[in-house]
Amino acid sequence: TAGITQAPTSQILAAGRSMTLRCTQDMRHNAMYWYRQDLGLGLRLIHYSNTAGTTGKGEVPDGYSVSRANTDDFPLTLASAVPSQTSVYFCASSAEYMNTEAFFGQGTRLTVV
Amino acid sequence: KNEVEQSPQNLTAQEGEFITINCSYSVGISALHWLQQHPGGGIVSLFMLSSGKKKHGRLIATINIQEKHSSLHITASHPRDSAVYICAVPRMYSGGGADGLTFGKGTHLIIQP
Repeated sequence: TAGITQAPTSQILAAGRSMTLRCTQDMRHNAMYWYRQDLGLGLRLIHYSNTAGTTGKGEVPDGYSVSRANTDDFPLTLASAVPSQTSVYFCASSAEYMNTEAFFGQGTRLTVV
Repeated sequence: KNEVEQSPQNLTAQEGEFITINCSYSVGISALHWLQQHPGGGIVSLFMLSSGKKKHGRLIATINIQEKHSSLHITASHPRDSAVYICAVPRMYSGGGADGLTFGKGTHLIIQP
C-alpha cells in the first residue's frame, strides 16, 4: 500500500515563480493537511481539508492555496514564491478530522532562491 | 491555542538505558499523538492515545488527561531508536471540532552504542 505520496521530493525554485506540490493518498481518508517544518519552529499547519470539497486555513496560510476536488488529492500551490517559504513540506491524512491516526508523506524539500 | 511543551529538547544516552520523554499541553484534548522522525526521513505515527497507557514493543506511552501530561518511554534503548520524537495534540476550535495538529518542537534522541 502506497499510503501518501508527495511530489516532487525536492525542488529549487526561483523567487517569484509559482509551484504546486502534489499530494495523493490511497487510503480513502476524509481529512488531509499540509504542514511545513522549519528548524527551531517545528511543524506548523498551513491548510487543511476535513472532507472533499472543503478547505480551511491553518496557522501559516499566507502565500499558499489548496484545493480538494476529490478524496485522494490535495495539492498545495505557491503563487509567487519567496525565500521565507524555503522549508520541508509534509502532507498528511487521517481517516477523520478528530481522534484518528495521522499518516504522513515523505516530505518535499523546497528551496526558494 | 493549545501550547505543547516537550522535554528534554536533546537527550543522549547509552545503549540499554531507559528513556523518558515528556509532553505537556495547555488545553484539554481528546487524544494525543506521539510521532517519530529519523534524520532526513519521514514522520511515522507511534501512538495515539486518549487515556491510560499503550505499549508497542519497547515503546510505552502514558497520558494523564487531568494533569495535561504525557510521557513516552523506551525500554532497553538501541542506537536505531535515535530519532526526533514529537508530541502532537488536536488544534481544537470552539464548537469542539479540530483542524489538524499542534506539535511540540520535538526531542532529539541519540543512543550511543
